[in-house]
Parts: sequence; C-alpha cells; structure tokens
Amino acid sequence: SQTIHQWPATLVQPVGSPLSLECTVEGTSNPNLYWYRQAAGRGLQLLFYSVGIGQISSEVPQNLSASRPQDRQFILSSKKLLLSDSGFYLCAWSVWGLEAFFGQGTRLTVV
Amino acid sequence: AQKVTQAQTEISVVEKEDVTLDCVYETRDTTYYLFWYKQPPSGELVFLIRRNSFDEQNEISGRYSWNFQKSTSSFNFTITASQVVDSAVYFCALSELAGSGTYKYIFGTGTRLKVLA
Repeated sequence: SQTIHQWPATLVQPVGSPLSLECTVEGTSNPNLYWYRQAAGRGLQLLFYSVGIGQISSEVPQNLSASRPQDRQFILSSKKLLLSDSGFYLCAWSVWGLEAFFGQGTRLTVV
Repeated sequence: AQKVTQAQTEISVVEKEDVTLDCVYETRDTTYYLFWYKQPPSGELVFLIRRNSFDEQNEISGRYSWNFQKSTSSFNFTITASQVVDSAVYFCALSELAGSGTYKYIFGTGTRLKVLA
C-alpha cells in the first residue's frame, strides 16, 4: 500500500533562518507531488507541484522553493524565513487527477 | 477560473442532528473530479469521496451521503445522525488540469463543523 511520510511534525525557526521540509512517498511510482500551505483557520493554498524529477511548477511567487531530487521525494526550502511563512505545510501525492493523499503535515512557527 | 465555494464558515449542531455542508464549484473543464476531505484537530487531511463529473448518482456510505448536481454545480455532503467524532473542518475540492499533463487541486475555504454532545 502507498504511504506518505512528512517531517518534521513541528518546527520553530527564527526569522532569517533556512528551512528544509522533506516528504517521501512509498508504494507508488511517478506520482504527482504537491506542497500546500494552510494558514491558521484558513483554506489550503497550493504552493508547488511536480510531475517528475526536477520538474517543479510554482503557483505563488514567494520566499519558498521546491525540489524533487528523486521520483518519490519532494523538498520544500527557504533560504531566509519570514514571519509570514508560518503555517501548516502539507505534502500530497496523486496519480491521474484522482484523489490526493496527504501527509500528516508540518506546523511551522517563525519567531 | 476554477473555483470552489464553501459559504458556510462554521456550523454547530447537537449530536444526532442531520447536517448538510454545501459546496459550489466553477470550472471550464468538461471532465473533472470533485472531492471531500475531513481535517480533524490533528491536522491531517483525510480523503472521504471522489466524484467523476459524468457520474451524478448520489452516494451513501454509512451516515455520510453526497448529492452531486451538475445543473447547479453543487456537491453537497450530508451527515446523518451526527456524532461528536464528526467535529472537524471539511473541505470540498476540485481537480483542475494543469500544464505538463498533470492535475492540481483547488480547495474551498472549508466548513468547521462542531457537534455538541
């Protein structure tokens, strides 16, 4: 069966520090991968999606970047965090536009 | 542009009441999928159901039922005999064909359901 792992679960980082969130999927090949962000009490905002290794599409220009170094690995990064980067980050995978399956999320607080 | 609207921000019901969560969508695509997700306090999004745009048959799963009406672009979700464990934020979503032959998912803003004992 397919599983998705996302870590860390929680993170507190100072303003200006770097960020690296990792997501890996098991049990499937060539998945579409996604990073979403959810601000407190808000909906889900699509940040990045990827159809394959090295292929990244950005939805919202911002202080973040994404990379896909391996087929089932998706990384969200920032060189210098801003206060506005705080939120709940969710990684997801899907195939062929069917339902997306989400990881458990990372709660990021920038202080 | 594709859009999903969940006009109900928060709903409170007493346990055992029925409750319907509304979802209205906009899309230019002729083929699309609609989804409902549940987000309990833990934060993880739990997939509940997928509906193909060509299949307007209503679906029932235990206490959950879904009403898809293409004519009104609605995909509503009803919980019968609600329970405290149903308390969560519920999201409606729409798949959109993106570039590179992939899909992306447009989410509504969610409806927070509180079921009171």
